[in-house]
Amino acid sequence: DAGVIQSPRHEVTEMGQEVTLRCKPISGHDYLFWYRQTMMRGLELLIYFNNNVPIDDSGMPEDRFSAKMPNASFSTLKIQPSEPRDSAVYFCASSPTGGRNYEQYFGPGTRLTVT
Amino acid sequence: AQTVTQSQPEMSVQEAETVTLSCTYDTSENNYYLFWYKQPPSRQMILVIRQEAYKQQNATENRFSVNFQKAAKSFSLKISDSQLGDTAMYFCAVRAGGTSYGKLTFGQGTILTVHP
Repeated sequence: DAGVIQSPRHEVTEMGQEVTLRCKPISGHDYLFWYRQTMMRGLELLIYFNNNVPIDDSGMPEDRFSAKMPNASFSTLKIQPSEPRDSAVYFCASSPTGGRNYEQYFGPGTRLTVT
Repeated sequence: AQTVTQSQPEMSVQEAETVTLSCTYDTSENNYYLFWYKQPPSRQMILVIRQEAYKQQNATENRFSVNFQKAAKSFSLKISDSQLGDTAMYFCAVRAGGTSYGKLTFGQGTILTVHP
């Protein structure tokens, strides 16, 4: 298995620019999660999907953030316009339903720096 | 709502010795799962061990074991025969079943340093 794939691994952008982070979950997993990690706030769940449908987006900080999952193998997290306080590591994770497999499998993360 | 508390921001241990990382949690769910994840400097999140709340037997994975005290809502991680490669940030997490299925809540993490 290739694992969860995220791109880009590093992103540096200027304040006000649009940023799009991409994620490919593990094939067959029907849950997909977006997390943000910062020193101040730790690991925060932003949004998660089940069968491509957003289930809980209560962690999305504000309207500048949006996430989509157009099909089972692809999701995006978009920030428009970006701000310096959005600088963080963004993780995507996926998980199958049921059985013993309740753990989430994480991608390598995208380190975002907004200057 | 779920909360996870890791009261030890940093810990250190000598190579080959044993160390225990503490974690307490709170959840209103009856059906839930507990995890310890490891994040080395590469920042990759790696699952260390998992415990189903309905199981009384403590989970073990090679040198890693847990002490699960359901009534006290405590879930500590014991690392035996510590190795230099165990140096990492360790996160405790809870994932509920039922209506909150899927939502994973993390603690703030404990930085573990293994000294040679």
